[in-house]
Amino acid sequence: EAQVTQNPRYLITVTGKKLTVTCSQNMNHEYMSWYRQDPGLGLRQIYYSMNVEVTDKGDVPEGYKVSRKEKRNFPLILESPSPNQTSLYFCASSRYLGQGRGGSYEQYFGPGTRLTVT
Amino acid sequence: GQQVMQIPQYQHVQEGEDFTTYCNSSTTLSNIQWYKQRPGGHPVFLIQLVKSGEVKKQKRLTFQFGEAKKNSSLHITATQTTDVGTYFCAGEGGSWGKLQFGAGTQVVVTP
Repeated sequence: EAQVTQNPRYLITVTGKKLTVTCSQNMNHEYMSWYRQDPGLGLRQIYYSMNVEVTDKGDVPEGYKVSRKEKRNFPLILESPSPNQTSLYFCASSRYLGQGRGGSYEQYFGPGTRLTVT
Repeated sequence: GQQVMQIPQYQHVQEGEDFTTYCNSSTTLSNIQWYKQRPGGHPVFLIQLVKSGEVKKQKRLTFQFGEAKKNSSLHITATQTTDVGTYFCAGEGGSWGKLQFGAGTQVVVTP
C-alpha cells in the first residue's frame, strides 16, 4: 500500500530535549516536505527536499533541521524544542513531474504528529 | 514575499446549495493545488492547475486558475454532507519547490 508514515503520532516533551520525528514514504517520490499546522494559519512549510541530499528552507525553518540521506526518509529534528513549536506536524511526499517551476506536485500526506512542548 | 490568502475562512452551507471559495496570491504562481482535510484527518490532494485560465471539473467540484495566475477558485454545486471539511489551496510562487498554503476554508454543511 502506497503511504507516508510518521512516528511518533503523539509526543509530549519538555523544553530543550532534542527530538526527531521520522517520515518515510514507499512510493519512490523525489519531493518531500514538512509542514506545521496551527489553528487559523493553515499549513506552513518548514523544509522541503527536491531529492536526496537536496534540502531547502520553507517559510518557517527556525528551530528545525532536516536531512535527506535516502530517498524514502526525511526526518525532522528539533534540537532544542520550545513551547512555540507545539503544533500538528505533517510530512508529505510527491512524485515531481516536470523540470523547474510549474511541475506537478500531487502530495501525499502522512497521518500527522501532534507535538506538545511544555 | 509571496502570500496566499483564502476567503472565506468559514462557510456554512445548506445541503443542496452551491458555494465558492477563493484563493488569491500576491505574486504570480507557477501552479496551484487544492487539498481537502476532513476533521481529524490529513490533507488529501484534489487537483493541480498549471495553465493560465485553466478550468477542471471533478463531479460537483469546479476548479479555476485565473488568467494572471494569481488567483484560483473552487466551486461546489449541490453541496452534500460528505463535503464537510477544510479546503486548502497551495501555490508554488517564489522558489522552485517552495509551496505556500492558504489558511483554508472550513465548510460546515447543514442537512
